[in-house]
Amino acid sequence: GDSVTQMEGPVTLSEEACLTINCTYTATGYPSLFWYVQYPGEGLQLLLKATKADDKGSNKGFEATYRKETTSFHLEKGSVQVSDSAVYFCALSDRGGAQKLVFGQGTRLTINP
Amino acid sequence: ETGVTQSPTHLIKTRGQQVTLRCSSQSGHNTVSWYQQALGQGPQFIFQYYREEENGRGNFPPRFSGLQFPNYSSELNVNALELDDSALYLCASSNSGRAHNEQFFGPGTRLTVL
Repeated sequence: GDSVTQMEGPVTLSEEACLTINCTYTATGYPSLFWYVQYPGEGLQLLLKATKADDKGSNKGFEATYRKETTSFHLEKGSVQVSDSAVYFCALSDRGGAQKLVFGQGTRLTINP
Repeated sequence: ETGVTQSPTHLIKTRGQQVTLRCSSQSGHNTVSWYQQALGQGPQFIFQYYREEENGRGNFPPRFSGLQFPNYSSELNVNALELDDSALYLCASSNSGRAHNEQFFGPGTRLTVL
């Protein structure tokens, strides 16, 4: 079945450092890809998405490019802030049926001032 | 526009009991999906309801059941609770008429089974 593998955490960075969180997927067909963020005590918020190969999703300084050839969707940000501290989930959604989301295990990010 | 709401926020039950969790979908949305998030893990798909019918189910036993009402709100029922059912239960609503079916999540219900 479909699956998502994320870089293991936790990840700790200093403010203004560069961030990359790796995500690879296995899926039949052509899924849509997502990054969700979960702040402490809250539900999931959609951060960005890409729906076809070579699409780049971006939001709040974060970017990720849908790479079909490497089945990857790595999350990047050039300069992180303390407020970016959260758990980040990579996910895919198939295009048919229930279009359920399949999530990776999550990566906890902590940014120190 | 009202977002997805869930109740209760927290719940403590004992093994063998039954529990009902509630979700109100975002305005304009006709589809509700439920996910279980164990501590330190990513959410796992339980099932989805569209127009009051189950529209897909993950790898969960039949003691996990659900309902969707005409106003598109939903309930998740779990019978014969087990210790491993302790988790954050997330509800997500979407509009299946839209392309790519973006799902909007509620804050979750934290269930503890003792």
